[in-house]
Amino acid sequence: ILNVEQSPQSLHVQEGDSTNFTCSFPSSNFYALHWYRWETAKSPEALFVMTLNGDEKKKGRISATLNTKEGYSYLYIKGSQPEDSATYLCALDRGNEKLTFGTGTRLTIIP
Amino acid sequence: DAMVIQNPRYQVTQFGKPVTLSCSQTLNHNVMYWYQQKSSQAPKLLFHYYDKDFNNEADTPDNFQSRRPNTSFCFLDIRSPGLGDAAMYLCATSYGTGPYGYTFGSGTRLTVV
Repeated sequence: ILNVEQSPQSLHVQEGDSTNFTCSFPSSNFYALHWYRWETAKSPEALFVMTLNGDEKKKGRISATLNTKEGYSYLYIKGSQPEDSATYLCALDRGNEKLTFGTGTRLTIIP
Repeated sequence: DAMVIQNPRYQVTQFGKPVTLSCSQTLNHNVMYWYQQKSSQAPKLLFHYYDKDFNNEADTPDNFQSRRPNTSFCFLDIRSPGLGDAAMYLCATSYGTGPYGYTFGSGTRLTVV
């Protein structure tokens, strides 16, 4: 993998259901993996910064895991709510002051 | 609240007419970034400042320039906007080296007519 890739590109989920999506990245020169949530008409908001292989972080109903050896991270949302509708961006940090972003997963929660 | 503010929220400019987008921060962060995001694409870094040190990405067109007169403000100048420069422009700040998240502004949507 040469770039940061996210899948799926978009996702529709019924309210109350759980969901997850993937961020894949080149594992060379890895320093950290960032997740952001970007709601329409708002600023992207930092969710997690993950650095260690096997790391798992949680914020309310949202959690993320990291595998630096194989180059992927999963974001999980448990019991989706309408306010979870947003674009979720992941970004690779190589420790050089700048992030390389994926194209995002656009999540829509259906009431 | 400490934050990153971008003005204007929406900007319409004429083809070839210089335009400036502005970003200010109250976080006292060392680094300020400008990203360009076109529809359905990943945000792409144009350049960033670490304090007063300017760092240009190799593939950023010469048409794009930036100024950071002080810690709080950073400007993106597009000298001769083309139709292909229509995009969302995001400003972000961070402490710099270290696993720190970015703080983003809400972006400026640029339309070129």
